[in-house]
Amino acid sequence: GNSVTQMEGPVTLSEEAFLTINCTYTATGYPSLFWYVQYPGEGLQLLLKATKADDKGSNKGFEATYRKETTSFHLEKGSVQVSDSAVYFCAFLRYSSASKIIFGSGTRLSIRP
Amino acid sequence: DVKVTQSSRYLVKRTGEKVFLECVQDMDHENMFWYRQDPGLGLRLIYFSYDVKMKEKGDIPEGYSVSREKKERFSLILESASTNQTSMYLCASRARDTEAFFGQGTRLTVV
Repeated sequence: GNSVTQMEGPVTLSEEAFLTINCTYTATGYPSLFWYVQYPGEGLQLLLKATKADDKGSNKGFEATYRKETTSFHLEKGSVQVSDSAVYFCAFLRYSSASKIIFGSGTRLSIRP
Repeated sequence: DVKVTQSSRYLVKRTGEKVFLECVQDMDHENMFWYRQDPGLGLRLIYFSYDVKMKEKGDIPEGYSVSREKKERFSLILESASTNQTSMYLCASRARDTEAFFGQGTRLTVV
């Protein structure tokens, strides 16, 4: 069935460290892929997206590349900041009139000053 | 900018009460969703709607119902609130070819 598997947290890093949060998906066809971020006490915000194979989504220094051959969409940032502390969700969607968005379980990231 | 607005940020209700959570979006989106979020369980889909008066059960519909009388508004109803429904509730909407946009969430406590 359709599912998303992402790295379990919590992940704790020091400021300026390199970040990778792994995400793989199981889906038929060619879904669009997303990373959402949830800051404390808030709803989810779209961080970045990619709609076809080999697309790279990027925003706020974060990047993720749609890898069809490995069905992966790993989130990376070269130098994290304290303000990046949040929960990150990987998700996918096959666009149609009534598609559900499939979310991973979320990865909590904490950055130490 | 797309705006999805949930009527309350925080709610405290008593066991057995009927509870209404309201969500309004301003971008004429066809699809609307209600999720609950619990520690360690991620986001779980309760119900979604792909058109006015149309609804489908998600993964955990028990104890909930929904109403979509107008395109912009999607209501989640807890018929008889119980303590195990204490959670963060998130509403989302999207058009056919866009990503989902989320409201700010409603933290519901049932005492």
